[in-house]
Amino acid sequence: DQQVKQNSPSLSVQEGRISILNCDYTNSMFDYFLWYKKYPAEGPTFLISISSIKDKNEDGRFTVFLNKSAKHLSLHIVPSQPGDSAVYFCAANPQGGSEKLVFGKGTKLTVNP
Amino acid sequence: NAGVMQNPRHLVRRRGQEARLRCSPMKGHSHVYWYRQLPEEGLKFMVYLQKENIIDESGMPKERFSAEFPKEGPSILRIQQVVRGDSAAYFCASSPLTGVRASTTEAFFGQGTRLTVV
Repeated sequence: DQQVKQNSPSLSVQEGRISILNCDYTNSMFDYFLWYKKYPAEGPTFLISISSIKDKNEDGRFTVFLNKSAKHLSLHIVPSQPGDSAVYFCAANPQGGSEKLVFGKGTKLTVNP
Repeated sequence: NAGVMQNPRHLVRRRGQEARLRCSPMKGHSHVYWYRQLPEEGLKFMVYLQKENIIDESGMPKERFSAEFPKEGPSILRIQQVVRGDSAAYFCASSPLTGVRASTTEAFFGQGTRLTVV
């Protein structure tokens, strides 16, 4: 059972345009969400996070939106740059201080010059 | 990712052999997490350790897998009698703090060890 779902395995956008990566979750006990970026042959790098008490968090070109009623979050990258080409993982953290992260399968973003 | 060192980067083992994966956390970090990424999958939590202590091993397979983080030296993930299904990328992360919000956002991942069982 996949508790965190990223239904688009890949996404291709033009440089300068907006990239929107989507993530759905099923476990209502999740109350903290994170996005990681991963280049080939490297480990994941933390990008941005959001607590369930918020519906938006912004950091430079990256904004994460959370819709708790729909159990959906999205990552917006504006403007997209070729260096943003990577695999993006959505991850969730359950309530209660668990140290475990539950990851989605990832979306491969390609930004074309 | 600088600072969390995993070795080897690539490891090939025949079925039935043992695999030892090492992780040296960043300087000053006393919390280590191991994750496994199977092909076409996301990362899956395996185990969380502090020095000389296993805090949460709920993601570890019940047999053949073990982990340790001794007082001195790196954390070791050990897989005995490897099978083809163990082929995966194994990632280690470390953090300086406990508490989920601090650890999940302050955790730094290593580059991973890619295990191939032939």
